[in-house]
Amino acid sequence: DIQMTQSPSSLSASVGDRVTITCRASHDISKFLNWYQQKPGKAPKLLIYDASNLERGVPSRFSGGGSGTEFTFTINSLQPEDIATYYCQQHDDLRTFGQGTKLEI
Amino acid sequence: QVQLQESGPGLVKPSETLSLTCTVSGGSISSYYWSWIRQPAGKGLEWIGRIYTSGSTNYNPSLKSRVTMSVDTSKNQFSLKLSSVTAADTAVYYCAREIVGATGDYFDYWGQGTLVTVSS
Repeated sequence: DIQMTQSPSSLSASVGDRVTITCRASHDISKFLNWYQQKPGKAPKLLIYDASNLERGVPSRFSGGGSGTEFTFTINSLQPEDIATYYCQQHDDLRTFGQGTKLEI
Repeated sequence: QVQLQESGPGLVKPSETLSLTCTVSGGSISSYYWSWIRQPAGKGLEWIGRIYTSGSTNYNPSLKSRVTMSVDTSKNQFSLKLSSVTAADTAVYYCAREIVGATGDYFDYWGQGTLVTVSS
């Protein structure tokens, strides 16, 4: 099984900040890593696929990078509506989610 | 616009079987992978497994012995059965469509989620 570890588990930031979340895979997963945003009481929403591709309609302040076992997710110029929990998800071998990073302002 | 809607009992007794159905509207169920994902209150997402419209399945190894998925293309529905449930299976259960292909592999459409509580 591939395990996904996100850090930090929670993060407090201010409007306008640059925020970075890290996701580490227990095995090399190449670029097969997605990022989702989940707001309370809602289903997750895809933001980034295959490590660095921005989903259509997602603001350009969101970006992703990395390959192999280490990946990053960045929000440039944090906005109030970005308050949510963010999850990474690998799709190299079956599917696994990270434990999530709760972002607070 | 594709929409997914979960349905099924909100309360299941311990040791019994949890059964949920996801109805797809606004598009065909054919030629896609369809997954079930759950989320205990205040916790993260757990992928349960997926089914292709041919009936081919993949399951999370940690749940494989208790999970059965099926698909009914005539009704544009797919289903989940989870046997021998315990309180640890209490969660919001989501169904989701998975895009698999050269342009990426990701969950693009999700249901709103349905809470299933395991309790006597």
